[in-house]
Amino acid sequence: SQTIHQWPATLVQPVGSPLSLECTVEGTSNPNLYWYRQAAGRGLQLLFYSVGIGQISSEVPQNLSASRPQDRQFILSSKKLLLSDSGFYLCAWRRDNEKLFFGSGTQLSVL
Amino acid sequence: GENVEQHPSTLSVQEGDSAVIKCTYSDSASNYFPWYKQELGKRPQLIIDIRSNVGEKKDQRIAVTLNKTAKHFSLHITETQPEDSAVYFCAASDTGRRALTFGSGTRLQVQP
Repeated sequence: SQTIHQWPATLVQPVGSPLSLECTVEGTSNPNLYWYRQAAGRGLQLLFYSVGIGQISSEVPQNLSASRPQDRQFILSSKKLLLSDSGFYLCAWRRDNEKLFFGSGTQLSVL
Repeated sequence: GENVEQHPSTLSVQEGDSAVIKCTYSDSASNYFPWYKQELGKRPQLIIDIRSNVGEKKDQRIAVTLNKTAKHFSLHITETQPEDSAVYFCAASDTGRRALTFGSGTRLQVQP
């Protein structure tokens, strides 16, 4: 069966510090991978998606970036965090037009 | 791209009553419509989904209906229980981006 791992679960970072969140999927090949962000009490905003190694599509202009160095690995990064980057970050995967499954999420607090 | 509107934003019902959450979508090419339940601090969990070739789907106390002509779909929960209290999100597939576009969420509170 397929599983998705995301870490860390919580993270407290000062403004201006770098960020690296990692997500890996097991039990499938060539998944579509996604990063969503959820502000407190709000909906799910799509940040990035990837349909293959090295293929990244960005949905909103921001100081975040994503990379997919391997088929089942998706990384969210920032060189300098802003206060507005705080939120609940969710990695997710799916096959084309199939069910979407989320990782357990990372609660990021930028102080 | 796809745009999904969800109503109401909050819903309070008495235990045993029914709850209905409604969503509309903009892209007539969308063909997959899932519903997710999210408890506080947890990941959204898929509870039911429907494809555009089906008008209704049921799973125990949960049902989803789809009206392709009007471009709206609804979640129906019958005999609500306190453990149904959570935030519910609808979504629609965006075939161009191969992604799901989510509604803004409905906070459901079931009063014992």
